Amino acid sequence: AQKITQTQPGMFVQEKEAVTLDCTYDTSDPSYGLFWYKQPSSGEMIFLIYQGSYDQQNATEGRYSLNFQKARKSANLVISASQLGDSAMYFCAMRNSGGSNYKLTFGKGTLLTVNP
Amino acid sequence: DAGITQSPRHKVTETGTPVTLRCHQTENHRYMYWYRQDPGHGLRLIHYSYGVKDTDKGEVSDGYSVSRSKTEDFLLTLESATSSQTSVYFCAITPVGGLTDTQYFGPGTRLTVL
Repeated sequence: AQKITQTQPGMFVQEKEAVTLDCTYDTSDPSYGLFWYKQPSSGEMIFLIYQGSYDQQNATEGRYSLNFQKARKSANLVISASQLGDSAMYFCAMRNSGGSNYKLTFGKGTLLTVNP
Repeated sequence: DAGITQSPRHKVTETGTPVTLRCHQTENHRYMYWYRQDPGHGLRLIHYSYGVKDTDKGEVSDGYSVSRSKTEDFLLTLESATSSQTSVYFCAITPVGGLTDTQYFGPGTRLTVL
């Protein structure tokens, strides 16, 4: 069975500093995808970044990067130069390939607070 | 904007009453999903659909049913609402065929069962 673990219920970071949000996963499927979503206090779910299990390089999207360590089964989100608007809940999710109907399994989330 | 709308956006109901939540999409995507979000649990899959009249159970399907008679609409029904079904419900779609097949979410429905 798939499992996503986010061990940090809450994190604090100073504005303009970098922060890493942890995510570990468990799957026996060799082909899978990893996603990060942001949920601000307004409630919408915003897709941030994707990493495929066969991707050779870590994914990057603007100030977001994914530190993918396949052997350790970790997919940590790195936010550089934090901004006040980055304060939100962040969810890590995984999708197995091969007949999964593109279903996602989510972690419980990390609440990031950016301090001025 | 993935063209997903949910209705109602907020609903308060009483225990034992039936409730139907609607998810509507405008882009004819095949795959649609219903999740619930509760504090400390993240998002959990209730039911999903892989085509018209093709649906299947997710992780937390007890007490819920779904229907999809048209590509654009995916309905979630609570036959007899209970207080444990107080939650925020998200609909999602996966536009298949791209590089990542990313799942996109609707705005959510906040349901309170008294």
